[in-house]
Amino acid sequence: DQQVKQNSPSLSVQEGRISILNCDYTNSMFDYFLWYKKYPAEGPTFLISISSIKDKNEDGRFTVFLNKSAKHLSLHIVPSQPGDSAVYFCAARPGANNLFFGTGTRLTVIP
Amino acid sequence: DTGVSQNPRHKITKRGQNVTFRCDPISEHNRLYWYRQTLGQGPEFLTYFQNEAQLEKSRLLSDRFSAERPKGSFSTLEIQRTEQGDSAMYLCASSTRNKPFEQYFGPGTRLTVT
Repeated sequence: DQQVKQNSPSLSVQEGRISILNCDYTNSMFDYFLWYKKYPAEGPTFLISISSIKDKNEDGRFTVFLNKSAKHLSLHIVPSQPGDSAVYFCAARPGANNLFFGTGTRLTVIP
Repeated sequence: DTGVSQNPRHKITKRGQNVTFRCDPISEHNRLYWYRQTLGQGPEFLTYFQNEAQLEKSRLLSDRFSAERPKGSFSTLEIQRTEQGDSAMYLCASSTRNKPFEQYFGPGTRLTVT
């Protein structure tokens, strides 16, 4: 069963606008949430994380929001740049050492 | 280059053969993870080491799979009697004890079983 879900397989955004990537989860035991970015022929690259005790974490152009009551996570990228075009994976940790990943959303930023 | 490295990057093998992959983690990272990724899916956890001790194994890791990290540095993942269903990208990641959830991934080894 998929405990972390990314229901949008793809997203296209104009350069300079906001990109919003969404993620839903089912396991209330998850204590950390992360976003990874993946370029073709490379492994996932860690982007940003958030603890379950927080509702927002910001790092430059990237902000992650956590809504625990809705079991929903989102990543905002502002402003979007063509170099942000990649596949973005949401991941969550169930208080243990492994990560559960979503299926990814392919972001295309159009110049 | 101080990132996670994996070798080989690509491996094509015939069904029934054994294969072995190697992962070299970031040098100061004491935790090492193996994941498998198939087309259209996110990475799926296989196993985890803290130093040389293998502390966790997923039920995805069948008896044909074995992983080692003999000196707490590099790790190997062996698949015996490969099957076509083993075709996937095998990813290695490492992390520190202080931030185990921030895992840094290598480029992966793509296995094709014919």
